[in-house]
Amino acid sequence: DGGITQSPKYLFRKEGQNVTLSCEQNLNHDAMYWYRQDPGQGLRLIYYSQIVNDFQKGDIAEGYSVSREKKESFPLTVTSAQKNPTAFYLCASSTQGGNQPQHFGDGTRLSIL
Amino acid sequence: GENVEQHPSTLSVQEGDSAVIKCTYSDSASNYFPWYKQELGKRPQLIIDIRSNVGEKKDQRIAVTLNKTAKHFSLHITETQPEDSAVYFCAATFSSNDYKLSFGAGTTVTVRA
Repeated sequence: DGGITQSPKYLFRKEGQNVTLSCEQNLNHDAMYWYRQDPGQGLRLIYYSQIVNDFQKGDIAEGYSVSREKKESFPLTVTSAQKNPTAFYLCASSTQGGNQPQHFGDGTRLSIL
Repeated sequence: GENVEQHPSTLSVQEGDSAVIKCTYSDSASNYFPWYKQELGKRPQLIIDIRSNVGEKKDQRIAVTLNKTAKHFSLHITETQPEDSAVYFCAATFSSNDYKLSFGAGTTVTVRA
């Protein structure tokens, strides 16, 4: 969807380095999500945020951190504690309330140098 | 938590034939079931969704059916075309937290011309 922008498209991480992936949306959505996608697998939830200044861990939060200081923005930091960070990272957003369609950005592909 | 199984993992069909993908879920109280289409290297796009108070939903060549008793839902694509070739993911929400989606592992559909 044109309303969700992820950057950069490609990112390389060195050993011991933290990197931050950007996700911005102009859809006025309250909820935002980060997923990790590995080859041949479905999407796995890393973190999600239902509202500004609040976020919860998903199924695979270890080695990642997030913040939600603005409604439009939900950056994801991949820390050095994440030992296998190579993956395709997808950000999504949805309107307030559960059971709502989630709309995705174009993704960031993270690789290790 | 919610567990979603998706079959088959790969599906090859002749152009013009139908394609059917089936998913089963574990949480009998799940209420929302979206389907996403993902082309190579691109974002997942919502193609159709169904809620638990509906048994079937259609949108042109695409239909989804839901059997709550058996805890399964299926995607049906009729009159397949080459542009239907993609990976398709089913998902279901958790009844305990309906912001969270659990995804199937995906089905790679190839439409042969």
